[in-house]
This record gives sequence, structure tokens and C-alpha cells, in this order.
Amino acid sequence: QPVLTQSSSASASLGSSVRLTCTLSSGHSSYIIAWHQQQPGKAPRYFMKVEGSGTYNKGSGVPDRFSGSSSGAHRYLTISNLQSEDEADYYCETWDSNTHVVFGGGTKLTVL
Amino acid sequence: EVQLVESGGGLVQPGGSLRLSCAASGFTFSSYWMSWVRQAPGKGLEWVANIKHDGSEKYCVDSVKGRFTISRDNAKNSVYLQMNSLRAEDTAVYYCARGPTYYDFWSGEKYFDYWGQGTLVTVSS
Repeated sequence: QPVLTQSSSASASLGSSVRLTCTLSSGHSSYIIAWHQQQPGKAPRYFMKVEGSGTYNKGSGVPDRFSGSSSGAHRYLTISNLQSEDEADYYCETWDSNTHVVFGGGTKLTVL
Repeated sequence: EVQLVESGGGLVQPGGSLRLSCAASGFTFSSYWMSWVRQAPGKGLEWVANIKHDGSEKYCVDSVKGRFTISRDNAKNSVYLQMNSLRAEDTAVYYCARGPTYYDFWSGEKYFDYWGQGTLVTVSS
């Protein structure tokens, strides 16, 4: 079963850029992952899927400031021109071969 | 517009039961895998259970096996989570989430793309 590893926290200044990382465990580097944003007190929201090739597809209404990429077992979510409303928890998600779903521990993003 | 609306949460004593419902609209419900995901207070997301588009396959996390049952009624566009023998550690907000279509599943496109607003389950005496 894949394991998804995320840093517990990240911070960046208003208007700057930040890249969040989700790392797949050994043997699972080809897996598709999805990124979800959870603002304080709200339900999660699907943001984008990222493939091993680096191809990404964003969910409806996700701003152009958000992009995805990939390198080996790492899947990235990059936010440009950081806004205060981007302060949130970000989770990555994948499904294993037994149709079980795995989440990363989440990254708490603080906008300074 | 895709909508997922959960209901049925509340306060229940340890050992008790609760049935959660998720009413779906805005898409062809019978074509999609559906799931329940929970989030304990101050914690991350934890997948609970999946059900195939036609209800023929179900999967759940080990910690709820034998206690929780996922089901669906495609005629009513609804998915359910029957929770028995509840424990304090089951206290969480429970979210309904939409998974892949049966076609996307077999092509490897497996992820959640819509979430409900959640319903709170509190297990306490």
C-alpha cells in the first residue's frame, strides 16, 4: 500500500510563491495523486490531480495561480502570487491496488 | 451543479449506532464510486469506506471492519454509512465524497473530485 508523505507545515509571504510536496513511497512512483484544500472550518475541496508525467488537471474554479508538477515520486502543488485566502491545510490523496484510499498527513500553509 | 449533502450525525453513547446518509444531485449518481471520509477533531483526513457504482464491491479501513457498513440506493441517489458499536475514537466529522466513474476507475483515474459539507458524529457518554 502506498504511503504519502507531506511536510506538516509551510509558510510564505503574501504575493510570493510556495511549492508544497507530496512524496509517494517506494514502488509507487507512477501513481496519480489528487490535491485537496481545506480552509479553516470548511469541508475539503478538490483542487487538482497530478500524474507521474507532470500532467495536471484542475478542478472547477481553481485559480490560475495554482499549478501542479511531478518529479519521480514527488508530486507538487505550486501557488504563485500567494493570497491570504490560500492559508489552509492541503492534503494529497491516492488509491492503492486494493481500492483503499490513502491520504497524506496534510500541510498547514501559513501566509505571512 | 454537483451537490453532496450529508445528514444523520449527532451525539451517541459508546456502543450505540447511527446511520449517515448522503444525498447526491447534479450528476449521474449510478456511474460513480462513492466514499466516506472522516476527520477527527484537529486531525487529518482518514478514508473510511468505498462502494462501487453498482454496489457490487465495498471496501473499508481495518479499524471499522465488522462495525461499519457502506451501502447505496441508486434509485434515490444516496449513499449510506451504518455505524454500529461506536467508540469514542469514531468521533469525527464524516464527509461524503465522489470517486471515479467505472470507466475512469479502470483507466487509473482514481481520486475524489467533490466533497459534501460533512456531518458531525460525537461518541460520548
